[in-house]
Amino acid sequence: GQSLEQPSEVTAVEGAIVQINCTYQTSGFYGLSWYQQHDGGAPTFLSYNALDGLEETGRFSSFLSRSDSYGYLLLQELQMKDSASYFCAVRASGSNYQLIWGAGTKLIIKP
Amino acid sequence: IAGITQAPTSQILAAGRRMTLRCTQDMRHNAMYWYRQDLGLGLRLIHYSNTAGTTGKGEVPDGYSVSRANTDDFPLTLASAVPSQTSVYFCASSDSIPGLNTEAFFGQGTRLTVV
Repeated sequence: GQSLEQPSEVTAVEGAIVQINCTYQTSGFYGLSWYQQHDGGAPTFLSYNALDGLEETGRFSSFLSRSDSYGYLLLQELQMKDSASYFCAVRASGSNYQLIWGAGTKLIIKP
Repeated sequence: IAGITQAPTSQILAAGRRMTLRCTQDMRHNAMYWYRQDLGLGLRLIHYSNTAGTTGKGEVPDGYSVSRANTDDFPLTLASAVPSQTSVYFCASSDSIPGLNTEAFFGQGTRLTVV
């Protein structure tokens, strides 16, 4: 089957750096995306990696290793507003090009 | 303002009743999706449509139906609601060109409670 694995919960301190990992097993692979969802809100797009390497967007970076079927989201200089759930998602040809979603990682930030 | 709109934002529904959740986008995206998200869990795909006139089943299609008469609208119908369909429903849209960054845009969600 097709699946994505990510930790259910991560705790970090305000101002610190945190990494959220995602491993995937899919039929075909076009790219790995990350979405953020605050409680009660809709998911919003953060980043997309189609090729190996690191993509940086402000305080957030995303990394992909296609050979390892692995990626991560790196959040730097954590702020309380970063408290949210983070989802990785893969677009795979084996699923008729639909996004396959991880179950989400709840990021808890402590002052 | 361009985006994707869902209606209603919340609803309490008696079991056995029929209900249609509405979704409209004005971004001219060819692909649209319906997800359900149960408390504390991830998104599960109910149905999708890669282009107007076509639909497909997702991970959890039973009890739901969709139609895609045009590019903008993608309604989701519960023919006879059951309590297990209590959830938050998200509609989303994107371009569906494989290999490109096809970011999904989400509506604000419909919180449905079936009693």
